[in-house]
Amino acid sequence: KAGVTQTPRYLIKTRGQQVTLSCSPISGHRSVSWYQQTPGQGLQFLFEYFSETQRNKGNFPGRFSGRQFSNSRSEMNVSTLELGDSALYLCASSLEAGGTEAFFGQGTRLTVV
Amino acid sequence: DAKTTQPTSMDCAEGRAANLPCNHSTISGNEYVYWYRQIHSQGPQYIIHGLKNNETNEMASLIITEDRKSSTLILPHATLRDTAVYYCIVRVYSGSARQLTFGSGTQLTVLP
Repeated sequence: KAGVTQTPRYLIKTRGQQVTLSCSPISGHRSVSWYQQTPGQGLQFLFEYFSETQRNKGNFPGRFSGRQFSNSRSEMNVSTLELGDSALYLCASSLEAGGTEAFFGQGTRLTVV
Repeated sequence: DAKTTQPTSMDCAEGRAANLPCNHSTISGNEYVYWYRQIHSQGPQYIIHGLKNNETNEMASLIITEDRKSSTLILPHATLRDTAVYYCIVRVYSGSARQLTFGSGTQLTVLP
């Protein structure tokens, strides 16, 4: 079956702009989690959505937001981009909320200039 | 979730077994040990998990000590494609409002 699909794979944005990233989970998976990965901080949890509801949130400013649609596809949005937002953004899907057997996408590489 | 300690890096010769240790001395009775790996520039990949019995799948074996305070991931015949960062995570099996917490992991380099 198809894996987790993230689009776009690469993105370059300017400081102050906003960006929307998309994630399509594995068919049948209802939980989508988002992570940010940077060389300095490693993999950090952003938030999790399950059945269109945010179930868990990491320690990120309100500029980072997300949503999930009825087909389980999820988007995350970052507003007022800062240089420090440059990172690999990873999406993971699992069957249930807080699931530990998670399947990750290839990620979106965001560069803020 | 219990904290884990892993070596920063390890080398292994191609074709030999790679044994990656993880200490989790504060693990609770209902917490599982999970292993993920991340090959450069890709998303993490689930490998295996266990509670207290040793586990084996097509990718690896997981050996958990009897007191559950440490574990070892074994890749029986390492290949160059196994070069990756390996993460040991301790967590309850499932639960809303819980996430996977990735530490620094172990950089495994398989040498030709």
